[in-house]
Amino acid sequence: AQSVTQPDIHITVSEGASLELRCNYSYGATPYLFWYVQSPGQGLQLLLKYFSGDTLVQGIKGFEAEFKRSQSSFNLRKPSVHWSDAAEYFCAVGAENTGNQFYFGTGTSLTVIP
Amino acid sequence: KAGVTQTPRYLIKTRGQQVTLSCSPISGHRSVSWYQQTPGQGLQFLFEYFSETQRNKGNFPGRFSGRQFSNSRSEMNVSTLELGDSALYLCASSLGRVETQYFGPGTRLLVL
Repeated sequence: AQSVTQPDIHITVSEGASLELRCNYSYGATPYLFWYVQSPGQGLQLLLKYFSGDTLVQGIKGFEAEFKRSQSSFNLRKPSVHWSDAAEYFCAVGAENTGNQFYFGTGTSLTVIP
Repeated sequence: KAGVTQTPRYLIKTRGQQVTLSCSPISGHRSVSWYQQTPGQGLQFLFEYFSETQRNKGNFPGRFSGRQFSNSRSEMNVSTLELGDSALYLCASSLGRVETQYFGPGTRLLVL
């Protein structure tokens, strides 16, 4: 069965510090991987995606993620966090055989301390 | 391009009633998917429509249904509302199959 795990429910970092949010997936097919961000009361905004090719992908707002097939991981990173990055972050996976039925992790809530 | 729009943004209903939510995708997008988001269950896939046909369906009861019109706009209907249906309902549109999905702001439904 397909599943996505985000082990960290909540993370607190200081402004200017680096950030890494973890995502592990379990999927039988070749996965397509996404990171979305959600601010309170809002929909989801796409940060970045991986379909194929270079396993290090760059996204918006200075975020990047690295696909590691051997570890079934797609961790999100940012070298220097800004207070405006405080939000909920979701990892999602899709595949050719499930079309646009994406599976989402339970999310990681990020708090940024000034 | 305008983003995905959803109406209404907020809705309050009572148990047993039915509700219809609307989603207008990004211009040119033919796929519309619906998700339910709750604190306990997270984001769960409801169904996807492509060119007016349901292409995929999640594990929800038959009270949840949807349709898509020729202009790609989609509606979702929930009949015989239950308290547990209180959630944020998100609509996402994409160009085609296994494409990036772009989400709307959601409709927050409260069932009393």
